[in-house]
Amino acid sequence: ILNVEQSPQSLHVQEGDSTNFTCSFPSSNFYALHWYRWETAKSPEALFVMTLNGDEKKKGRISATLNTKEGYSYLYIKGSQPEDSATYLCAFRANSGAGSYQLTFGKGTKLSVIP
Amino acid sequence: GAGVSQTPSNKVTEKGKYVELRCDPISGHTALYWYRQSLGQGPEFLIYFQGTGAADDSGLPNDRFFAVRPEGSVSTLKIQRTERGDSAVYLCASSLDWNTEAFFGQGTRLTVV
Repeated sequence: ILNVEQSPQSLHVQEGDSTNFTCSFPSSNFYALHWYRWETAKSPEALFVMTLNGDEKKKGRISATLNTKEGYSYLYIKGSQPEDSATYLCAFRANSGAGSYQLTFGKGTKLSVIP
Repeated sequence: GAGVSQTPSNKVTEKGKYVELRCDPISGHTALYWYRQSLGQGPEFLIYFQGTGAADDSGLPNDRFFAVRPEGSVSTLKIQRTERGDSAVYLCASSLDWNTEAFFGQGTRLTVV
């Protein structure tokens, strides 16, 4: 059973604050690490797909880093806005035969940005 | 439409009944996935289709769950003899291939009473 952990479970920040949260995953048999943003009553939206150790990706005010050797990824949000309020999910894809088809998700970090 | 469409968006059923959940993937996407999110958990993998065939059904919890994709496009997740523990959000996703970005639908919220 693959273990993907996210912390913190929930987070409240003031508008304009920068924040970050963590995803930890198995450091062996790594294929890819996905980040999704899931707003209430909407579809989960893909933010990043990260495949290489040391990868850094950026999309507007959101960025992510990847360390496959130690099994963690950080998601950063700069200058949080109320529209950033959502649950942020990470998902691990293994490089191991049939298991490669599956994304193993963490429980998510629920971010609330207070105006 | 341009995205993954799931119907119904909400379904309330009585314990013991049969339900079908439908997923219309993005046109041209050969890979289709079903996931289930129970309260307080992340989405859990159920089944993966490549075209018409189920390439990985290892996530189906028991034989009450079955899914089909007869023409390689629309998929139906079927649950027999529903139990209260089946209550969850059922998510469908599609992608061009198994290792490319997956696009999710809004999910079907199933409540078994």
